[in-house]
Amino acid sequence: DTEVTQTPKHLVMGMTNKKSLKCEQHMGHRAMYWYKQKAKKPPELMFVYSYEKLSINESVPSRFSPECPNSSLLNLHLHALQPEDSALYLCASSQRRRQNTGELFFGEGSRLTVL
Amino acid sequence: AQTVTQSQPEMSVQEAETVTLSCTYDTSESDYYLFWYKQPPSRQMILVIRQEAYKQQNATENRFSVNFQKAAKSFSLKISDSQLGDAAMYFCAYRSYDSGGSNYKLTFGKGTLLTVNP
Repeated sequence: DTEVTQTPKHLVMGMTNKKSLKCEQHMGHRAMYWYKQKAKKPPELMFVYSYEKLSINESVPSRFSPECPNSSLLNLHLHALQPEDSALYLCASSQRRRQNTGELFFGEGSRLTVL
Repeated sequence: AQTVTQSQPEMSVQEAETVTLSCTYDTSESDYYLFWYKQPPSRQMILVIRQEAYKQQNATENRFSVNFQKAAKSFSLKISDSQLGDAAMYFCAYRSYDSGGSNYKLTFGKGTLLTVNP
């Protein structure tokens, strides 16, 4: 059973749509991540939240807007996306440094298709 | 910046045999984590095994073991008694142990696609 839950599993949207991806974890982790993954490629880091504050933005276009409403939830708001944004979007969480085993726990991902 | 190199884009192994996946990395840090993650076609990235750089003993998890050579910056994964369920993309990954933003970055290699033949 995955401990990081992502919804929806699949999403198809047009370039003018507004949609959101959601991620939830109940492991008490205080760091949460969004990754983008293209087929047969490694995940690429997009955003990191630490204690509900944005810690890292890897120069992601503004059509992707992250939000961390509380320590268990992470959203990714999508607006005016391009077809090249079609990918698997992975959410992950981890414990804080020096309290942890270092690993990231990943969700199953949301498969996004932009038409 | 740290880099992780997996030189084998694809590997195959016969069921019940042993296979070794290679990984090298480059870093100037002395403390860090190394991981092998498995991503089956079902998509979820699953941790296979972890190694903390300060530990000299090689990590082992059931059929999975690593050969960690810190001086050579090498971190290979050995899968013994391969099973059909081991078929997946395997990513080697590095994580800084230091404070600050770099600690959050998990640097992945490009991955090795493992096929297990019955």
